[in-house]
Amino acid sequence: DTEVTQTPKHLVMGMTNKKSLKCEQHMGHRAMYWYKQKAKKPPELMFVYSYEKLSINESVPSRFSPECPNSSLLNLHLHALQPEDSALYLCASRSDFRQYFGPGTRLTVL
Amino acid sequence: GENVEQHPSTLSVQEGDSAVIKCTYSDSASNYFPWYKQELGKRPQLIIDIRSNVGEKKDQRIAVTLNKTAKHFSLHITETQPEDSAVYFCAARGFYNQGGKLIFGQGTELSVKP
Repeated sequence: DTEVTQTPKHLVMGMTNKKSLKCEQHMGHRAMYWYKQKAKKPPELMFVYSYEKLSINESVPSRFSPECPNSSLLNLHLHALQPEDSALYLCASRSDFRQYFGPGTRLTVL
Repeated sequence: GENVEQHPSTLSVQEGDSAVIKCTYSDSASNYFPWYKQELGKRPQLIIDIRSNVGEKKDQRIAVTLNKTAKHFSLHITETQPEDSAVYFCAARGFYNQGGKLIFGQGTELSVKP
């Protein structure tokens, strides 16, 4: 099973809202990722968690705050976003070399 | 820094023809090369991958070849079908890469015409 799940599927928020994205995997993978993707562009890496610790932050603005409560869960907390942050947010987990993506959350910031 | 170039950016073929997408990487220490297919509105799906100790890998109608000397790798799709229409991304991972970070190419939009 290579299933990574994400909720919600769609999210519309205003610039003053606080919201969270959730990602879950039960494959025992110890590395999890957040990506941002614009239409027909490659995924852009935001954060990497390895063994529940943040190992890579790709200079992401502080209005995005990741959290890894346990080895199966990954959250992305959103606050004071800008319209240009509207995108597909993808979570992924890694087994050995292979990364598997979740279905993504389509975020619209008004 | 690490870079992956992917060509062409768009590719249109007739159903039944073959399609080839090429990528070139800059980091000679790269040792893992996956290919993802992304249909409209869907997640990137890993369709095939190759490690640096292998020159070619095949899975039904798709194959990947790797030339380490030239630092390029290619995706070959034979007997294309309309359902092969999607954006394809190549990627590379460096041997010394922290966290398993993938460097993606810019993508190829493949259109298979019936």
